[in-house]
Amino acid sequence: DAGVIQSPRHEVTEMGQEVTLRCKPISGHNSLFWYRQTMMRGLELLIYFNNNVPIDDSGMPEDRFSAKMPNASFSTLKIQPSEPRDSAVYFCASSGTAGGRNEQFFGPGTRLTVL
Amino acid sequence: QKEVEQNSGPLSVPEGAIASLNCTYSDRGSQSFFWYRQYSGKSPELIMFIYSNGDKEDGRFTAQLNKASQYVSLLIRDSQPSDSATYLCAVRYSGAGSYQLTFGKGTKLSVIP
Repeated sequence: DAGVIQSPRHEVTEMGQEVTLRCKPISGHNSLFWYRQTMMRGLELLIYFNNNVPIDDSGMPEDRFSAKMPNASFSTLKIQPSEPRDSAVYFCASSGTAGGRNEQFFGPGTRLTVL
Repeated sequence: QKEVEQNSGPLSVPEGAIASLNCTYSDRGSQSFFWYRQYSGKSPELIMFIYSNGDKEDGRFTAQLNKASQYVSLLIRDSQPSDSATYLCAVRYSGAGSYQLTFGKGTKLSVIP
């Protein structure tokens, strides 16, 4: 299995631009999570989907952030417009329900820099 | 507000010693507890999980859970320089359909050769 795939791995953009991050979960996993990690705040859950349906988006910082999961193998996180304070590493993770453990497997992350 | 607290460290131990990492959580209804290891510039990877009170051993790693004290710990025996990383404690809270994890900010471990 290829694991969770994220793209791009690095993104540098200017303030005000739209940024789209992409994620392909592990095949067969039915839950997908978007996290943001910074030194100050640690790893924060932004939103998670179960069976392609958003379950909890209370971690999304503001309306500039949106996420979609049009099918079981693809999700996007969009920031529009981007701001310097959005600079962070964004991780996507997926999990299945085998054994009831709900272990989450993380992708390699996207390092976002907003200038 | 569900919280997971960890000492940020850094925790420095000599090679071959036992490293002890600690974590407390706020919600007594918590069900599952996970330890992730994160190397600098990499993504978190799961190394241990525990659900029941007591100890769970896996190779050089032992997870300990005390639900009455709302405390979970990770012991690393015979620490190696390759164990140097940040260790994240994560808690899954109770509730129907609760799939999400709440993470602590992590403890940075440095194993000195």
